[in-house]
Amino acid sequence: SQTIHQWPATLVQPVGSPLSLECTVEGTSNPNLYWYRQAAGRGLQLLFYSVGIGQISSEVPQNLSASRPQDRQFILSSKKLLLSDSGFYLCAWRGVISDPPLHFGNGTRLTVT
Amino acid sequence: DAKTTQPPSMDCAEGRAANLPCNHSTISGNEYVYWYRQIHSQGPQYIIHGLKNNETNEMASLIITEDRKSSTLILPHATLRDTAVYYCIVRPHNDYKLSFGAGTTVTVRA
Repeated sequence: SQTIHQWPATLVQPVGSPLSLECTVEGTSNPNLYWYRQAAGRGLQLLFYSVGIGQISSEVPQNLSASRPQDRQFILSSKKLLLSDSGFYLCAWRGVISDPPLHFGNGTRLTVT
Repeated sequence: DAKTTQPPSMDCAEGRAANLPCNHSTISGNEYVYWYRQIHSQGPQYIIHGLKNNETNEMASLIITEDRKSSTLILPHATLRDTAVYYCIVRPHNDYKLSFGAGTTVTVRA
């Protein structure tokens, strides 16, 4: 069966520090991968998605970037965190023919201080 | 994606049915209705989806009106563990992006 792993579960980082969040999927090949962010009390905002290795599409221009160095690995990064980067970051995957459409990880709670 | 409108919150008594409405008056013919829920501090969990027929699974039932402009998610016997934010989303089946709005915060009370 397919599983998705996200780490760390919680993270507290100072303003101006770098960020690296990792997501890996097991049990499937060539998944579509997604990064979402949820600010406190808000809905989910799609940040990036990837349909293949090295293919990244950005939905919202901001202080973050994403990379997909391997088929089942998706990384969210920042060179210098801002206070506004605080939030709940969720990774999700979808198979080529997948029903339901998205499977989510358990997220990373990021607090920028 | 077609826009959806959901009430911001609703309460439900434990053991009773919870009926969650969703309006999607601009839905297109190839768009499905999906429901997810998000328990506090967890990732969203898929519940059910449908195109035009009513659907039922072990978690819930989905009732879609004949004109497909609205739908209702039914949790037949709500438990305290059903307390969550419920999202209604419409999108083409082969679309690979989902947009989540604010959803409905459902609180099940003992």
